[in-house]
Amino acid sequence: SQQGEEDPQALSIQEGENATMNCSYKTSINNLQWYRQNSGRGLVHLILIRSNEREKHSGRLRVTLDTSKKSSSLLITASRAADTASYFCATIIQGAQKLVFGQGTRLTINP
Amino acid sequence: GAGVSQSPSNKVTEKGKDVELRCDPISGHTALYWYRQSLGQGLEFLIYFQGNSAPDKSGLPSDRFSAERTGGSVSTLTIQRTQQEDSAVYLCASSLGLNSGNTIYFGEGSWLTVV
Repeated sequence: SQQGEEDPQALSIQEGENATMNCSYKTSINNLQWYRQNSGRGLVHLILIRSNEREKHSGRLRVTLDTSKKSSSLLITASRAADTASYFCATIIQGAQKLVFGQGTRLTINP
Repeated sequence: GAGVSQSPSNKVTEKGKDVELRCDPISGHTALYWYRQSLGQGLEFLIYFQGNSAPDKSGLPSDRFSAERTGGSVSTLTIQRTQQEDSAVYLCASSLGLNSGNTIYFGEGSWLTVV
């Protein structure tokens, strides 16, 4: 079963709008990471939030983490066409040594 | 090198043939991972190497899949007697380790098509 589940599976918005993607997970984690993937190739690391952090910002990205609800959200503000990609959350399960990915959210920014 | 390098970028092979996929991690990274991604799907963990420790092979889908990492650097993923369901992008990644805060860097992947 998947450790991380993204919601929605697909999101289509107009350029300039904000995009919010959610991720839920099942077990205790050390940290949670968000990645972007263009055209089914390599993933690019966006941001990492530790289990003792609640919110983190990086440019137009804002990530929140609620360990009580086992969920995280990624907000992209003032979206651009270049933000069109698939976004994945990934978690390192406590006691394990592997990064487990969700199924991803496919984001489309319409010009 | 500057990033994780994978080869070949694309490979088309006939069903039943063996294939080898290569990964050159970032210099100094002790942790190396292989993932598989089928079209439109998430990443499926295959195997994880950390230094000289025994690898975590728990994600390998069958005994046709194997991987090795020579000298703690380059890794080769081998698929024997390929099947059509093996068609996917195989992604390699490396990091300084899985301690909290270590970023994992991905290569561009090897796209395997079994015909």
